[in-house]
Amino acid sequence: ETGVTQTPRHLVMGMTNKKSLKCEQHLGHNAMYWYKQSAKKPLELMFVYSLEERVENNSVPSRFSPECPNSSHLFLHLHTLQPEDSALYLCASSHDQGQARSGYTFGSGTRLTVV
Amino acid sequence: GENVEQHPSTLSVQEGDSAVIKCTYSDSASNYFPWYKQELGKGPQLIIDIRSNVGEKKDQRIAVTLNKTAKHFSLHITETQPEDSAVYFCAATDSGGYQKVTFGTGTKLQVIP
Repeated sequence: ETGVTQTPRHLVMGMTNKKSLKCEQHLGHNAMYWYKQSAKKPLELMFVYSLEERVENNSVPSRFSPECPNSSHLFLHLHTLQPEDSALYLCASSHDQGQARSGYTFGSGTRLTVV
Repeated sequence: GENVEQHPSTLSVQEGDSAVIKCTYSDSASNYFPWYKQELGKGPQLIIDIRSNVGEKKDQRIAVTLNKTAKHFSLHITETQPEDSAVYFCAATDSGGYQKVTFGTGTKLQVIP
């Protein structure tokens, strides 16, 4: 257990479904991130929240919608996904925006399969 | 923007041997270089990092070296053990206000008992 908890661990959804991924951290970190991990590709940054404010949206399709209600929780709402969105979605947190102070703490990820 | 290249993509070593993974970066403004280890079914875990004002850092069997002039940094694992088998990622962080992070594509290390 790293201190960053993601649920669910696995998710299979149809292209017309709506689902949400949840991330929770109680490390006292001020920044939280969503990353997408696909086979043979570098980790892709999707969203960054610093002190509950979105500071980065890396040209992510609107079918992905993040929400950060407080500094401990982060959600990723999914709707009308495509099969190519199947991947491991990782949540991370850090003391401050960026990681120059102490790196990221990652959760174990949600393995998403879109059918 | 920053570009990080990582080699090799796969590496097999005998238990007890050393393993070396190399990364190059393009942005001379990058000043923080972490390494992450990702075991099967888990997220990446920070194992060691180095800042641009340091040339080498060691933590037990793991060491990282940085050559700012050549813009490359390397991870060295000595006396490898089966539990070192994992995917290793390097990353570079720039010094701008946002501190953008760029990851390498990963190296799958297999330690053969």
